[in-house]
Amino acid sequence: EAGVTQFPSHSVIEKGQTVTLRCDPISGHDNLYWYRRVMGKEIKFLLHFVKESKQDESGMPNNRFLAERTGGTYSTLKVQPAELEDSGVYFCASSQVGTGEGEQFFGPGTRLTVL
Amino acid sequence: RKEVEQDPGPFNVPEGATVAFNCTYSNSASQSFFWYRQDCRKEPKLLMSVYSSGNEDGRFTAQLNRASQYISLLIRDSKLSDSATYLCVVSRGSTLGRLYFGRGTQLTVWP
Repeated sequence: EAGVTQFPSHSVIEKGQTVTLRCDPISGHDNLYWYRRVMGKEIKFLLHFVKESKQDESGMPNNRFLAERTGGTYSTLKVQPAELEDSGVYFCASSQVGTGEGEQFFGPGTRLTVL
Repeated sequence: RKEVEQDPGPFNVPEGATVAFNCTYSNSASQSFFWYRQDCRKEPKLLMSVYSSGNEDGRFTAQLNRASQYISLLIRDSKLSDSATYLCVVSRGSTLGRLYFGRGTQLTVWP
């Protein structure tokens, strides 16, 4: 069975540009999460979808970040306009159960560099 | 105060050694506890869940002390393949699976 996939694997953009990251969860997983790791810091939660609904978006840094999950399948995370501090690795994860009991499976991440 | 605190290491041990990692969490509402493993430039992968009674999986033993809000991971008979970053992770059940990560402890096992 295919794992969580993310696209692109790397993205280098200039400050002020827009970037859209994509995540395809494991088929059948209702729960989809976005996390981010900024260099030197811990991995931090951004938001959680249950199917197409945003269950928790309290970790989103500001309104330059927009996440969508139309149809409850894949998700996109758009950063517009990108700032230098947005650089980091963006991980997507999915799980079957959303109460902390189900394992979250992580994708390989998108490494974003904002110049 | 950070949600999860870990000693970042690095830990450098010879093959066959026993190594222990510790972690503390700040929120007493935390209900689920995990150790994840992350290889260089790869995604985190679940190593094991941590239960109140303590649990073992082969060479790996995890312990939880709720009173002290302390989690540990013991690796016995270290292998070269154990070299990785070990992430202490907690979840509060009420937030439906949102994970809180420590910064990770880097382990290198040398021949």
